[in-house]
Amino acid sequence: KAGVTQTPRYLIKTRGQQVTLSCSPISGHRSVSWYQQTPGQGLQFLFEYFSETQRNKGNFPGRFSGRQFSNSRSEMNVSTLELGDSALYLCASSLQAVNEQFFGPGTRLTVL
Amino acid sequence: GIQVEQSPPDLILQEGANSTLRCNFSDSVNNLQWFHQNPWGQLINLFYIPSGTKQNGRLSATTVATERYSLLYISSSQTTDSGVYFCAVGFQGGSEKLVFGKGTKLTVNP
Repeated sequence: KAGVTQTPRYLIKTRGQQVTLSCSPISGHRSVSWYQQTPGQGLQFLFEYFSETQRNKGNFPGRFSGRQFSNSRSEMNVSTLELGDSALYLCASSLQAVNEQFFGPGTRLTVL
Repeated sequence: GIQVEQSPPDLILQEGANSTLRCNFSDSVNNLQWFHQNPWGQLINLFYIPSGTKQNGRLSATTVATERYSLLYISSSQTTDSGVYFCAVGFQGGSEKLVFGKGTKLTVNP
């Protein structure tokens, strides 16, 4: 069974631009979560989607948003990029509530 | 607030040595996972262990939920075991959100 896939793997943007990251979960998984990893803050939860509904959101500004499609694929969007948004963005999927989560390879975003 | 603390933060071993990594957490959990982050950043699942003991080859893990800690044991370490090990916890009432510790950076020298 294919694992979680994320595209693109690497991205370079400039301040003020916006970016969209994509995540395809493991087949049959309906929950998708997003995490941000930076050297200073470590791994932090962004949000979680289940059946196209956002069920949980972390402590991030409104510039960070996401959505989930009917096939469980998810996208996250960051608008008006700031230098501090440079990070590794990881997506995870799981079967349903409170289950083992599996992570994708991540998208490394650099904001110049 | 909700906290996950890992120790030690850094660990240097000679190949063949054994090690124990610890994860303390501050509240009741419904999910606990151990990950190894590879050099490219991907989190590799080691154990899903909200309670009890599991073993997988040279690795084993134990979670004592009532005492709010988990241990990851690595025996006969190899240079390929090097990297950062994370403990991540899902707290009851926290939905699917995982709270990560800061990790233990393991270096295994030949």
